[in-house]
Amino acid sequence: EAQVTQNPRYLITVTGKKLTVTCSQNMNHEYMSWYRQDPGLGLRQIYYSMNVEVTDKGDVPEGYKVSRKEKRNFPLILESPSPNQTSLYFCASSSRGLDEKLFFGSGTQLSVL
Amino acid sequence: KQEVTQIPAALSVPEGENLVLNCSFTDSAIYNLQWFRQDPGKGLTSLLLIQSSQREQTSGRLNASLDKSSGRSTLYIAASQPGDSATYLCAVRPAGGYNKLIFGAGTRLAVHP
Repeated sequence: EAQVTQNPRYLITVTGKKLTVTCSQNMNHEYMSWYRQDPGLGLRQIYYSMNVEVTDKGDVPEGYKVSRKEKRNFPLILESPSPNQTSLYFCASSSRGLDEKLFFGSGTQLSVL
Repeated sequence: KQEVTQIPAALSVPEGENLVLNCSFTDSAIYNLQWFRQDPGKGLTSLLLIQSSQREQTSGRLNASLDKSSGRSTLYIAASQPGDSATYLCAVRPAGGYNKLIFGAGTRLAVHP
């Protein structure tokens, strides 16, 4: 089954404790991206990757890091989480074409205390 | 800067009604527009994708239209059912901005029996 898998689904942590949210896709997609979703604001792009070892900032990259060492994986790293990073996070992937639909993971609800 | 607005923010209708969800965007320079469905606890599912050169797309009971010059799109749902209850988001891919989608905040739809 074609899918984007995120882990964990729920995470509660404390300020400053480094964490990683994993994302994996099994569709051989070149393009992967991270979004955060906050009430009333819609989804905002954090980082994206066009292929292995190619990453770039989205609209709200501050406080986040990513890496793309393998085509299927695109982890999101919070080196020192803060309460304003409490949000619902989504990973997404697609083939590399302008008319390609985006496939989303099920989301990770993060709470930073 | 491209902004996407969805009105209304929430909508409650009885089963069987035909309904229209609205999406507006401020910059008409877009590659395409997508409509997504988001169920609680799940990721987003792409429903329809309309290219900038197209006027509408249909899938089953769903019909999406695009008027690029006026910066508007509508999602028409025919004969609504309780299973249609979800949040519906529209997103535009800006021309020259292959790497991102810009999302509206969504319309939360409730269809009651």
